[in-house]
Amino acid sequence: GAGVSQSPSNKVTEKGKDVELRCDPISGHTALYWYRQSLGQGLEFLIYFQGNSAPDKSGLPSDRFSAERTGGSVSTLTIQRTQQEDSAVYLCASSQRSATNSPLHFGNGTRLTVT
Amino acid sequence: AQSVTQPDIHITVSEGASLELRCNYSYGATPYLFWYVQSPGQGLQLLLKYFSGDTLVQGIKGFEAEFKRSQSSFNLRKPSVHWSDAAEYFCAVGERGGGADGLTFGKGTHLIIQP
Repeated sequence: GAGVSQSPSNKVTEKGKDVELRCDPISGHTALYWYRQSLGQGLEFLIYFQGNSAPDKSGLPSDRFSAERTGGSVSTLTIQRTQQEDSAVYLCASSQRSATNSPLHFGNGTRLTVT
Repeated sequence: AQSVTQPDIHITVSEGASLELRCNYSYGATPYLFWYVQSPGQGLQLLLKYFSGDTLVQGIKGFEAEFKRSQSSFNLRKPSVHWSDAAEYFCAVGERGGGADGLTFGKGTHLIIQP
């Protein structure tokens, strides 16, 4: 079956512009996570959606970052007024229940470059 | 809060040689433990996980890992590596009882395979 799909795969933007990153999770997966992967820094948790519950936004680095998940499926991560330090690979993952109860399935990521 | 340390940023082994990637964790109780692999340009794929029971767990692609409570370690091993094993390997710890940010990842170990 289809895996987690992320688009675009690459995005180059100018400093100060807004960007939207999209994630299509595996159908039926209730949990959806966004991570940021910077060079040599591992994965940094950003935000977590579980079903229809309010998302956990505790990992978002600033108020320029926001995310939504419509209809319990597709999620969009928005970064406003991008800065050069936002350059990273943004990974989306979904799982049937939660990351500790069922495996995370990752998309291939969106590589964001802010010039 | 839990943390994960992968002491080796890079490891180089010859094809056919054995491999051990180190992972140490900090957590107040028995954690959930995971190893994920990331091939270039790809998302992360689950290799294996430890929840409870037998401390030696088998995973995909011929990998295994051993949970050693006394050493707070969960090292990944493979008896004979193949060139296709070249990738980034991430150890992760999960909090029992769930938790929004489910998994804490190490910074990764980059595995290089010499012919």
